[in-house]
Amino acid sequence: AQSVAQPEDQVNVAEGNPLTVKCTYSVSGNPYLFWYVQYPNRGLQFLLKYITGDNLVKGSYGFEAEFNKSQTSFHLKKPSALVSDSALYFCAVRDMTGAGNMLTFGGGTRLMVKP
Amino acid sequence: NAGVTQTPKFQVLKTGQSMTLQCAQDMNHNSMYWYRQDPGMGLRLIYYSASEGTTDKGEVPNGYNVSRLNKREFSLRLESAAPSQTSVYFCASSEMYSANEQFFGPGTRLTVL
Repeated sequence: AQSVAQPEDQVNVAEGNPLTVKCTYSVSGNPYLFWYVQYPNRGLQFLLKYITGDNLVKGSYGFEAEFNKSQTSFHLKKPSALVSDSALYFCAVRDMTGAGNMLTFGGGTRLMVKP
Repeated sequence: NAGVTQTPKFQVLKTGQSMTLQCAQDMNHNSMYWYRQDPGMGLRLIYYSASEGTTDKGEVPNGYNVSRLNKREFSLRLESAAPSQTSVYFCASSEMYSANEQFFGPGTRLTVL
């Protein structure tokens, strides 16, 4: 079975400061890892993914994430937060060896960036 | 390209009523999915279709049925709605290969009274 944990329901950060949204995962094999963002009353939008290779993955809107196999983590980061980054962020995992293309999502973390 | 479209955007049902949520994608994707989103629980997979002609249960299939009408369309049916099915429903699509990201529709907000 695969699972994802996002330990923080909400993260507050001041505009211009660095931000981190945490994600840990559990899979039996090697993982495919994804971050999605959801703005109010909208569907989820893809931000970035880790499949293989470099542990630091760069994505849309200046976001990046670091894959850490020993800590089974995939934290989302941005060097300088913008008020427009305020949204709901979801981490998702898929076991590379599993059947189908079923993603398991975390519960989500609300990011609030204050001016 | 419209991407993934869903109808309706909002729906209110009474307990026991039935309805079908429609989803279509214009990206020529093989795989399609139905999720429900509830506060604090993230998205949970209801059913998915890996390719045209196949459907499989996800994490929370009870009370739902699906139809993969063709490569573009994937519908979700509630035969006898219950208050526990009040949720926001999202359809998504992707290429078949597991490393590919999923693309989501705008969602349907369903309330069952």
